[in-house]
Amino acid sequence: EAQVTQNPRYLITVTGKKLTVTCSQNMNHEYMSWYRQDPGLGLRQIYYSMNVEVTDKGDVPEGYKVSRKEKRNFPLILESPSPNQTSLYFCASRFSSGSRQETQYFGPGTRLLVL
Amino acid sequence: QKEVEQDPGPLSVPEGAIVSLNCTYSNSAFQYFMWYRQYSRKGPELLMYTYSSGNKEDGRFTAQVDKSSKYISLFIRDSQPSDSATYLCAMGGYNFNKFYFGSGTKLNVKP
Repeated sequence: EAQVTQNPRYLITVTGKKLTVTCSQNMNHEYMSWYRQDPGLGLRQIYYSMNVEVTDKGDVPEGYKVSRKEKRNFPLILESPSPNQTSLYFCASRFSSGSRQETQYFGPGTRLLVL
Repeated sequence: QKEVEQDPGPLSVPEGAIVSLNCTYSNSAFQYFMWYRQYSRKGPELLMYTYSSGNKEDGRFTAQVDKSSKYISLFIRDSQPSDSATYLCAMGGYNFNKFYFGSGTKLNVKP
């Protein structure tokens, strides 16, 4: 089954404790992206990656890091989480070329609470 | 000013009604326009995609883009209770790498 998976799905942590949210896709997509969703603000893009070792900032990259060492994985790293990073996080992926480029598949989401 | 504005609703309609959902935007560089549907506790799923101005129809769904007014719409005909969800508009520029989403409109279709 074609899918984007995220782990963990729920996470409660404390300020300053480094954490990683993993994202993996099995569709051989070149493009992957991270978003956060907050009430009244909608989805905001954090980082995206065009392919392995190619990443760039989205709209709200502050406080986040990413890496793309393998095509299927795109982890989101919070080096020192703060309460304002409490949010619902989504990973997404799609092909980068051809007529299929418009279909972006989203993962199930990771709900993060930073105390 | 937000890049994309969308009325959060909620919008409540009876089954069978025609639903109109709208977004406005400020960046004239946007060329790709999308509508996503998001059920509670799920990730968004793509409903409709259009490039530049014009209309696109897919079953009960019609997407319209008016670039001169910076206004996009999604129409749902013969709405069903299963259409109850949050609808998000999204837009992207020429490189299709960065995306901007509206805050979503919550729709409730009553049986």
